[in-house]
Amino acid sequence: QSALTQPASVSGSPGQSIAISCTGTSSDVGGYNYVSWYQQHPGKAPKLMIYDVSNRPSGVSNRFSGSKSGNTASLTISGLQAEDEADYYCSSYTNSTTWVFGGGTKLTVL
Amino acid sequence: QITLKESGPTLVKPKQTLTLTCTFSGFSLSTSGVGVGWIRQPPGKALEWLALIYWDDDKRYSPSLKSRLTITKDTSKNQVVLTMTNMDPVDTATYYCAHSPVFDYWGQGTLVTVSS
Repeated sequence: QSALTQPASVSGSPGQSIAISCTGTSSDVGGYNYVSWYQQHPGKAPKLMIYDVSNRPSGVSNRFSGSKSGNTASLTISGLQAEDEADYYCSSYTNSTTWVFGGGTKLTVL
Repeated sequence: QITLKESGPTLVKPKQTLTLTCTFSGFSLSTSGVGVGWIRQPPGKALEWLALIYWDDDKRYSPSLKSRLTITKDTSKNQVVLTMTNMDPVDTATYYCAHSPVFDYWGQGTLVTVSS
């Protein structure tokens, strides 16, 4: 299984909205509504931000939202804040009953 | 409150076998639907899913590493053990365990360096 494809980097100014894409295939992203997004600050463990495409765990800001169209999932962050600067990873369940992560996206808040 | 913590050697030699233990609390691995997974991250690189074990002892492995990995659980001790054989310097990474199925809780990670 190949890693899901994410842009290496995205950036935005405080208050703006940005979107991070996660492209897979019909064998993973497109085939299941089991896409998750994780935020990782330097030296820290990943933190779950979105699960099952668009669900937010308790305690995660509603500025974070997820969606999916075909083989591509997206994480949108609205009202960008300095604390949002981090690496973001998507993951998906696959038809091999395994999991796969994306290559990660570095978000810079300008 | 769910917590997980990884433990094991920080340094292994090439060709040796790595054994990592994930000790958890706040949930039971005998509860239907629950699992514990292992994910690693080489320095400066992306996350890579390795393996997962479910409450019913169903086990799943990364296809690219399947031949080298074994995951087991000890429900009475609240532990999950991952072994990886034939370690190579490219296996140097921080290894995490996480509560499944959506990896909503993670351990702090343990850095394993492979070097002679």
